[in-house]
Amino acid sequence: GQNIDQPTEMTATEGAIVQINCTYQTSGFNGLFWYQQHAGEAPTFLSYNVLDGLEEKGRFSSFLSRSKGYSYLLLKELQMKDSASYLCAVTLGAGNNRKLIWGLGTSLAVNP
Amino acid sequence: DTAVSQTPKYLVTQMGNDKSIKCEQNLGHDTMYWYKQDSKKFLKIMFSYNNKELIINETVPNRFSPKSPDKAHLNLHINSLELGDSAVYFCASSRASGIPTEQYFGPGTRLTVT
Repeated sequence: GQNIDQPTEMTATEGAIVQINCTYQTSGFNGLFWYQQHAGEAPTFLSYNVLDGLEEKGRFSSFLSRSKGYSYLLLKELQMKDSASYLCAVTLGAGNNRKLIWGLGTSLAVNP
Repeated sequence: DTAVSQTPKYLVTQMGNDKSIKCEQNLGHDTMYWYKQDSKKFLKIMFSYNNKELIINETVPNRFSPKSPDKAHLNLHINSLELGDSAVYFCASSRASGIPTEQYFGPGTRLTVT
């Protein structure tokens, strides 16, 4: 079966740095996405990793180790608006048969 | 301009009824999806279409029937609604190829079956 694990909840302080981990065991791998979902809203794309290493986009960075089945999302200089759920999703298949398998998400609360 | 739109945003109905949710994207994407997000926030793929053709059909009851009149639209019709169908349904779209092929989500339709 396909399995993606993330912590259920995390708490951090405004201005701090937080790392959200994601481990996966899947039959196949064609990339890993991180999405942000605010309560009552749709998921929005944050980052994508297909090769090992770190991808940086402003305050957000995402890391991937394919051999370890592991990724993390790093959020720097936390702001109150970063309070949201962060979803890790693994791409299986290719071309038209490509689909995403989603983790349950990590609910991040940023406190003043 | 809204990239992916869905109607209605809220839908409250009784068991046994039939209802439809509409989705439209103006991004020029070839691939569209329907997801169900339950109360535990688990996002599960239901269907995907590429250029009006059904590509992925996960183990969804056949009471759910998607229809794609053109590649910009993907509607979802649900027959004989059950209590367990209560969830948020998201439509999404993406390019068919390229890296990355992130998905763009509509605002969601919150379906409540009573």
